[in-house]
Amino acid sequence: EIVLTQSPGTLSLSPGERATLSCRASQSVSSSYLAWYQQKPGQAPRLLIYGASSRATGIPDRFSGSGSGTDFTLTISRLEPEDFAVYYCQQYGSPWTFGQGTKVEIK
Amino acid sequence: QVQLQESGPGLVKPSETLSLTCTVSGGSISSYYWSWIRQPAGKGLEWIGRIYTSGSTNYNPSLKSRVTMSVDTSKNQFSLKLSSVTAADTAVYYCARVSKGATGAYYFDYWGQGTLVTVSS
Repeated sequence: EIVLTQSPGTLSLSPGERATLSCRASQSVSSSYLAWYQQKPGQAPRLLIYGASSRATGIPDRFSGSGSGTDFTLTISRLEPEDFAVYYCQQYGSPWTFGQGTKVEIK
Repeated sequence: QVQLQESGPGLVKPSETLSLTCTVSGGSISSYYWSWIRQPAGKGLEWIGRIYTSGSTNYNPSLKSRVTMSVDTSKNQFSLKLSSVTAADTAVYYCARVSKGATGAYYFDYWGQGTLVTVSS
């Protein structure tokens, strides 16, 4: 099983700042098999990025994904108030697994 | 707009079987993978398994011995059964659609709102 480790656990930032979230895999992951989701309290996760770097429909371009192999990054270029949430990476190897999440909170 | 809605008992007794159904509206259930994911309160997401509309399944090895998924294309529904439940199975259970992009990327693009299932006597 591929284990995804996200860091940091919590990121305290102010609106307008840049957020950089890391997702590290215990084994190499095909870039096509890495996605990022955003989850707000009481809501289902929402797809942000698939294939490591492709934005989902309707996702603002301040969200970007990058990386390959075992190291992947989600970047939010300028935080908007609605971006404070928990972010999960996920890989579609066998079995499918999620990272433990990074909480982006208002500083 | 595709919508998914989970339904089923919110309370299940220990050692019994948890049963949930996901109803898909606004689109056909055919030619997609469909998944169940769960999330204990305050914790992260755990993938339970997936089913294709042909009935082909793949389960998380950690739950495989207790999980059964099925699909009813005539009703645009798919279902989850989890047997021999314990308090550790208490969670919000989500159903989701799996799509595949042009480059072969998989992703969950539509999710249900989630349903809380509590295991307690």
